[in-house]
Amino acid sequence: RKEVEQDPGPFNVPEGATVAFNCTYSNSASQSFFWYRQDCRKEPKLLMSVYSSGNEDGRFTAQLNRASQYISLLIRDSKLSDSATYLCVVLDDYKLSFGAGTTVTVRA
Amino acid sequence: EAQVTQNPRYLITVTGKKLTVTCSQNMNHEYMSWYRQDPGLGLRQIYYSMNVEVTDKGDVPEGYKVSRKEKRNFPLILESPSPNQTSLYFCASSRGRVGYEQYFGPGTRLTVT
Repeated sequence: RKEVEQDPGPFNVPEGATVAFNCTYSNSASQSFFWYRQDCRKEPKLLMSVYSSGNEDGRFTAQLNRASQYISLLIRDSKLSDSATYLCVVLDDYKLSFGAGTTVTVRA
Repeated sequence: EAQVTQNPRYLITVTGKKLTVTCSQNMNHEYMSWYRQDPGLGLRQIYYSMNVEVTDKGDVPEGYKVSRKEKRNFPLILESPSPNQTSLYFCASSRGRVGYEQYFGPGTRLTVT
């Protein structure tokens, strides 16, 4: 079983739509969680950390569900520039594990 | 400008011909690492370094070597490349290992024929 699993998508959504997707992790003792964004095989960049109580950064909302061992990312009012692959990253035992990514395509 | 640089960005080589991919960061980060990214798989860590002269294996170290003689540089060495090492490689650095933001280089696309 993979340590971090994501629905690869793609999620094709119109501009202005809301899109949400999850990431599941296998280690219940995982300590920290992050979402990274990767554009078309370029380098990944940190989008946001995920806090236990959930957190927002503009149009992006991240949530953590420890009981069910998943994190989620919701994008409101999607922009064309949100088209990217979103990588779920989990830290446990001083090791970062990356999901394979969820691809989102926003169309005009 | 704070950045991580990698060279070369693209490389096509033949089986068995030794190669080195350089990585350099100008942020005075202690922690550096190498990842490979293959379709359908997440980034997998090859090697990491906690500081100068301190390196350790990641998840997929076979066929690779690294060195950390200076804080800013962390080259990846393939002594005898094979086709299964065809991949997209990323170098990354961070202030520390636990929970800090990883800064990635632009990537090196390697093809071994």
